[in-house]
Amino acid sequence: NAGVTQTPKFRILKIGQSMTLQCTQDMNHNYMYWYRQDPGMGLKLIYYSVGAGITDKGEVPNGYNVSRSTTEDFPLRLELAAPSQTSVYFCASRTAGYSPLHFGNGTRLTVT
Amino acid sequence: AQKITQTQPGMFVQEKEAVTLDCTYDTSDQSYGLFWYKQPSSGEMIFLIYQGSYDEQNATEGRYSLNFQKARKSANLVISASQLGDSAMYFCAMRDDNNAGNMLTFGGGTRLMVKP
Repeated sequence: NAGVTQTPKFRILKIGQSMTLQCTQDMNHNYMYWYRQDPGMGLKLIYYSVGAGITDKGEVPNGYNVSRSTTEDFPLRLELAAPSQTSVYFCASRTAGYSPLHFGNGTRLTVT
Repeated sequence: AQKITQTQPGMFVQEKEAVTLDCTYDTSDQSYGLFWYKQPSSGEMIFLIYQGSYDEQNATEGRYSLNFQKARKSANLVISASQLGDSAMYFCAMRDDNNAGNMLTFGGGTRLMVKP
């Protein structure tokens, strides 16, 4: 059982470039989330989805976009990368009810 | 808006001793959930323990227990018999039950270092 899989693990972008962080889960979870973690800090919510076709903004959505065309996949798109987007990005999912989040292993992104 | 505060940026504990990591929260909601996650140096997020706001008994999971004091709005994590492998960042988080996404808000974390 793979759980939540994120790709790539590492990426270096130049300022102004774009990229998509991939996230897929095989647990049939309806709820999916994208968080970012800046060095030495806690996690901040970027976007979330409560099911296929439904997405909404979190605390820090500027500079990002998401889509949820299937239950399994929840990609995060960075347009016009900026140094402030240097961070570790975590994708997470959970079932309905009061279940804990299952996290992917993260993508470490550096924008220079 | 919900807020989670972890006031201890770093802590040391002697191996085999117990340690308490502090977490206070601020919410006007009656229904919420509190979680603790561990993040070792390898970076993954590991779920440790959960406490619901209506749970009357403190949650326990092996060496982990959650000291839930609802009136004081605190949810401290107690680790008994510390092991070297407990050295990691620890995050407290609160679930928002008034939002369709039930998203978690995280505290800033506490770095625990276990001394041999």
